Amino acid sequence: GAGVSQSPRYKVAKRGQDVALRCDPISGHVSLFWYQQALGQGPEFLTYFQNEAQLDKSGLPSDRFFAERPEGSVSTLKIQRTQQEDSAVYLCASSAGVRGQETQYFGPGTRLLVL
Amino acid sequence: AQRVTQPEKLLSVFKGAPVELKCNYSYSGSPELFWYVQYSRQRLQLLLRHISRESIKGFTADLNKGETSFHLKKPFAQEEDSAMYYCALLAGGTSYGKLTFGQGTILTVHP
Repeated sequence: GAGVSQSPRYKVAKRGQDVALRCDPISGHVSLFWYQQALGQGPEFLTYFQNEAQLDKSGLPSDRFFAERPEGSVSTLKIQRTQQEDSAVYLCASSAGVRGQETQYFGPGTRLLVL
Repeated sequence: AQRVTQPEKLLSVFKGAPVELKCNYSYSGSPELFWYVQYSRQRLQLLLRHISRESIKGFTADLNKGETSFHLKKPFAQEEDSAMYYCALLAGGTSYGKLTFGQGTILTVHP
């Protein structure tokens, strides 16, 4: 079956532009996570959805970052007025359950470069 | 707050040699620990977790609560083990799986 997919795979934005990153989780997966991975660093948690409910957004670095999952499936991470420090790989992961022990399956990531 | 430290950014060994990737954590409660791996041009994937106490691709990891460590070991490294390895922690009480990752270790196994 298909794994987690993300689009676009690469995005170049001029500083100040808005961007939208898409994540298609594995079908039927309840939990969806967004992580940000800066160059040379490990992934850092941004936000978590359980179905359509955003239960944790404690990792979002500023109010320029916004995520949604309106129908409990596809999710979009939006970054407004992008800054150079937003340049990173944005990873999406999904898991079948709501308990932490379930395996998280990661997408290939979207590499964002802000010029 | 929890923290995961992987002190080695790069680790090189020769094929057939033992390998140990170090991971230390800081967390006041009872954590769950994981190792994730990313092979070249592939996505991040789970390698093993401490609660299952299994050996995957010859790798094992033991949770040492006294030393707050979760080192990944393999007695005989293979060239196909070359990859980026991340140690990750799931804090107790977090019911849904928010992970804290270390910075990663690039393992290179030379022929």
